[in-house]
Amino acid sequence: KQEVTQIPAALSVPEGENLVLNCSFTDSAIYNLQWFRQDPGKGLTSLLLIQSSQREQTSGRLNASLDKSSGRSTLYIAASQPGDSATYLCAVRHGFGNEKLTFGTGTRLTIIP
Amino acid sequence: GAGVSQSPSNKVTEKGKDVELRCDPISGHTALYWYRQRLGQGLEFLIYFQGNSAPDKSGLPSDRFSAERTGESVSTLTIQRTQQEDSAVYLCASSSRPGAFSGNTIYFGEGSWLTVV
Repeated sequence: KQEVTQIPAALSVPEGENLVLNCSFTDSAIYNLQWFRQDPGKGLTSLLLIQSSQREQTSGRLNASLDKSSGRSTLYIAASQPGDSATYLCAVRHGFGNEKLTFGTGTRLTIIP
Repeated sequence: GAGVSQSPSNKVTEKGKDVELRCDPISGHTALYWYRQRLGQGLEFLIYFQGNSAPDKSGLPSDRFSAERTGESVSTLTIQRTQQEDSAVYLCASSSRPGAFSGNTIYFGEGSWLTVV
């Protein structure tokens, strides 16, 4: 059974700092991995998707990496801003023909102005 | 529409009543998911539809829960004889067919917030 873990559960950093969020998964046979953010009382917004054949994806100040063999992904946020405060979730898609997403427990990020 | 649309956005119901939650996926998306998120907890997979294939119902917590989808259009999640532990936000998501050039990004709706009193 795939298990996805995110560490830390919560993180507070001063504005302007760079930070890294971690995601680990137990079964490396994944189709892709996706990072989302969730604002309080809202649905999920997709940030980055990494296919299993890729090593990283970048969008603006965000960079996500994937090391499938070790079952790890990181989300790097550069020059953090108060608007980055949210819960960040990673999710793995199990495979072609098995489309279920398994979500991590999330990291609640607070950027201190 | 431009995004995944869910209704109602909020629902308060009495214990024992039935509720129906609706999801309109993004046009052209063949895959549709339902997830549940209880307050302060992670997302729980409920059910997955892919085109006209048999749905993956492995996440439905009890036989009080059921979902339908006609073709590649609207889906309805039904909860019968609601219990207080059913209180949660029910999130719907859709994506394109696996292997499509779009990369299969999954898009979520804003959720239907259910409170059972």
